[in-house]
Amino acid sequence: DAGITQSPRHKVTETGTPVTLRCHQTENHRYMYWYRQDPGHGLRLIHYSYGVKDTDKGEVSDGYSVSRSKTEDFLLTLESATSSQTSVYFCAISARTSGRGEQFFGPGTRLTVL
Amino acid sequence: KNEVEQSPQNLTAQEGEFITINCSYSVGISALHWLQQHPGGGIVSLFMLSSGKKKHGRLIATINIQEKHSSLHITASHPRDSAVYICAVVSDSNYQLIWGAGTKLIIKP
Repeated sequence: DAGITQSPRHKVTETGTPVTLRCHQTENHRYMYWYRQDPGHGLRLIHYSYGVKDTDKGEVSDGYSVSRSKTEDFLLTLESATSSQTSVYFCAISARTSGRGEQFFGPGTRLTVL
Repeated sequence: KNEVEQSPQNLTAQEGEFITINCSYSVGISALHWLQQHPGGGIVSLFMLSSGKKKHGRLIATINIQEKHSSLHITASHPRDSAVYICAVVSDSNYQLIWGAGTKLIIKP
């Protein structure tokens, strides 16, 4: 299994509080992704990173920011959490060699915003 | 119309049956990805393929690039195969994954 961990695995927080989710990899892969998964929507890309300090927005980036100061860590921050951000968040990594882009996923973080 | 369509959305079968899940796409791709997600569980990569066929145990994945279609087959299905199976294509323009909605498979003993 690819070495990807996410922390915390579960979090309950209140509306308006800041939340940071962490994704850590031991594979030295260049690409890292944050997705959210909601019933009826499948997986949706929030942000991704293509290198240290290099990030870009996905299709549902509003209300989220990311940072990548080291190859192994990709942080997702909700500056002021809202109930609509209650979801399961998955981190993924990819070496993206030869353009095939196979992604490997972390175990997920279940976030509940009350 | 979604760029990646999976069928069926839901499938219930008896243990031992041969299972086929289909994925059709309408965009240019560099590869296609089949993944599995168990209830409440993580997402596991099953196959990444860009042509032909791949086999792993009881799972077989095929792709026809000309027809823009892929199938995932499960032989001798077992209750532990019950999961959501997701097809995702790698866009050849930006290498992002475009996701299908998933097929929920239930195998009854």
